[in-house]
Amino acid sequence: SQKIEQNSEALNIQEGKTATLTCNYTNYSPAYLQWYRQDPGRGPVFLLLIRENEKEKRKERLKVTFDTTLKQSLFHITASQPADSATYLCALDGGSGYALNFGKGTSLLVTP
Amino acid sequence: KAGVTQTPRYLIKTRGQQVTLSCSPISGHRSVSWYQQTPGQGLQFLFEYFSETQRNKGNFPGRFSGRQFSNSRSEMNVSTLELGDSALYLCASSLEAGSGNTIYFGEGSWLTVV
Repeated sequence: SQKIEQNSEALNIQEGKTATLTCNYTNYSPAYLQWYRQDPGRGPVFLLLIRENEKEKRKERLKVTFDTTLKQSLFHITASQPADSATYLCALDGGSGYALNFGKGTSLLVTP
Repeated sequence: KAGVTQTPRYLIKTRGQQVTLSCSPISGHRSVSWYQQTPGQGLQFLFEYFSETQRNKGNFPGRFSGRQFSNSRSEMNVSTLELGDSALYLCASSLEAGSGNTIYFGEGSWLTVV
């Protein structure tokens, strides 16, 4: 069956360090992979989209990698700040014409 | 530009009742998707509408239904509510259908079934 796995354990890091979150998937051949941020009680907010033929994408302090051989995406936040504390969700398509499927998310806590 | 608007934000229903949730997409967006979010299952895809047609449907029972109107506004309905239907229901819109498009979520409707 199709699975999208993200670390269920919260990630606690110190302010200024780089946070790295992992998204692994099985039985998918996604054309796209997206990352979203969700704050408690709010809807998810889009952060980055990376295509299957792209290895890496950057946006300000965010960097996403996409390895279709390993079936894995890594999401990095450099110089992390307490305001980055949130749950981060990865999402990918189930195939051409199909809607996005989401992982359960990883909670990130950045402490001063 | 106004974001995705969902109403109501909070509601409490009794088992066996039915509920209708409403979603107004971002102006110009023609695709609307619905998701259910629970602590145990995470975000689960319910259905996607584009130009008033259901394009995709997730693995939910027939008690869950939806529709899209000509102005792209959408509603979802859950009939014969069960306790397990308690969840945050999220609506998202995008310019076009398909997973390569960025989707923009509303703040959700919190449904509690008692």
